[in-house]
Amino acid sequence: GESVGLHLPTLSVQEGDNSIINCAYSNSASDYFIWYKQESGKGPQFIIDIRSNMDKRQGQRVTVLLNKTVKHLSLQIAATQPGDSAVYFCAENMESGGTSYGKLTFGQGTILTVHP
Amino acid sequence: KAGVTQTPRYLIKTRGQQVTLSCSPISGHRSVSWYQQTPGQGLQFLFEYFSETQRNKGNFPGRFSGRQFSNSRSEMNVSTLELGDSALYLCASSHQRDRGEQYFGPGTRLTVT
Repeated sequence: GESVGLHLPTLSVQEGDNSIINCAYSNSASDYFIWYKQESGKGPQFIIDIRSNMDKRQGQRVTVLLNKTVKHLSLQIAATQPGDSAVYFCAENMESGGTSYGKLTFGQGTILTVHP
Repeated sequence: KAGVTQTPRYLIKTRGQQVTLSCSPISGHRSVSWYQQTPGQGLQFLFEYFSETQRNKGNFPGRFSGRQFSNSRSEMNVSTLELGDSALYLCASSHQRDRGEQYFGPGTRLTVT
């Protein structure tokens, strides 16, 4: 079935570097995307979202890029810090009437490790 | 505002028993969604409630059920527990009636022995 997947399961970076986490989605009908960060023992934490009428959205130290042509999503973290170490998930939702309510489809996640 | 709270945080049950998990959404949020997280399957959608009505349901057996109260608090119930039901159960709330960002609670870790 349709799913959201990640290219890289792990990513290791040095403190201060920029990190890029990628996500490929297969459902061309997806039009709303969210990035979440999950630390050990905690629930996913909302980072940033983007709708399909946008190509780019920026937050504090984070940027999400959406390429609808190749169905690709990325999360860029600037000046990565040890506190950014976590599992990062992309999630998608598509407009399909009642079946879209509350249903986020998650990718498998990428483990980001930031070395001091 | 206080975040999403879930109780209990940890639970150990035996096969065949049933369990009820509770979720209190962020104040003012009326949409509550439930997810199951396991190492093998990742995060999977269970169901969503809005104004006490289930609007959407994932692909889980009928042993999984839920409800929402008039104050938006929600419960989910799993009957006839199986070993494979061991998982982290997450609740998320949203202030959007339609679609929008969901904010997650810390989850309830259920272990079935």
